Amino acid sequence: KAGVTQTPRYLIKTRGQQVTLSCSPISGHRSVSWYQQTPGQGLQFLFEYFSETQRNKGNFPGRFSGRQFSNSRSEMNVSTLELGDSALYLCASSLGRRSSYEQYFGPGTRLTVT
Amino acid sequence: GQQVMQIPQYQHVQEGEDFTTYCNSSTTLSNIQWYKQRPGGHPVFLIQLVKSGEVKKQKRLTFQFGEAKKNSSLHITATQTTDVGTYFCAGRAAALIFGKGTTLSVSS
Repeated sequence: KAGVTQTPRYLIKTRGQQVTLSCSPISGHRSVSWYQQTPGQGLQFLFEYFSETQRNKGNFPGRFSGRQFSNSRSEMNVSTLELGDSALYLCASSLGRRSSYEQYFGPGTRLTVT
Repeated sequence: GQQVMQIPQYQHVQEGEDFTTYCNSSTTLSNIQWYKQRPGGHPVFLIQLVKSGEVKKQKRLTFQFGEAKKNSSLHITATQTTDVGTYFCAGRAAALIFGKGTTLSVSS
């Protein structure tokens, strides 16, 4: 079974631009979560989607948004990029929303904002 | 909101020494999960603990869940260079919240 895939793997953008990141979960997984990882800050929760609905949202500004499609694929968008948005963005999928389900992470998208 | 704290942030050991990382939640958890992220890699699920006081072992790794289900620990016996990486605990309230992780380095 194929793992979680994320595209693109690397991205360089300029301040003020916007970016869209894509995540394809493991086949059969219906829940997708997004995390921002920066040195020293660990994995900060962005949002969680299940059945095309956002179920939870982390403490990030409204510039960060996302969506999930009917095939469970998910995208996240960051508008008006700031230097501090440079990070590794990780997507994780799981079977469902039960807390007992483990998360399978993708390789991440490394975003650099200059 | 829910917070999950881990200590220490960094730990360096000589190969063969033991290593322990501790995780504390501000709220009672239904379960706790542990993940390992190798340098340059992504987090990989290690184990899940569900019951109060639960102890699970995976070869040289021992995981414990506190009686109050608010804290957990991971202990590695006789570390090896392959143990290098960052270990994260994660607890779910509304969302799955990760601690900041403990980065383990091992010198031979």
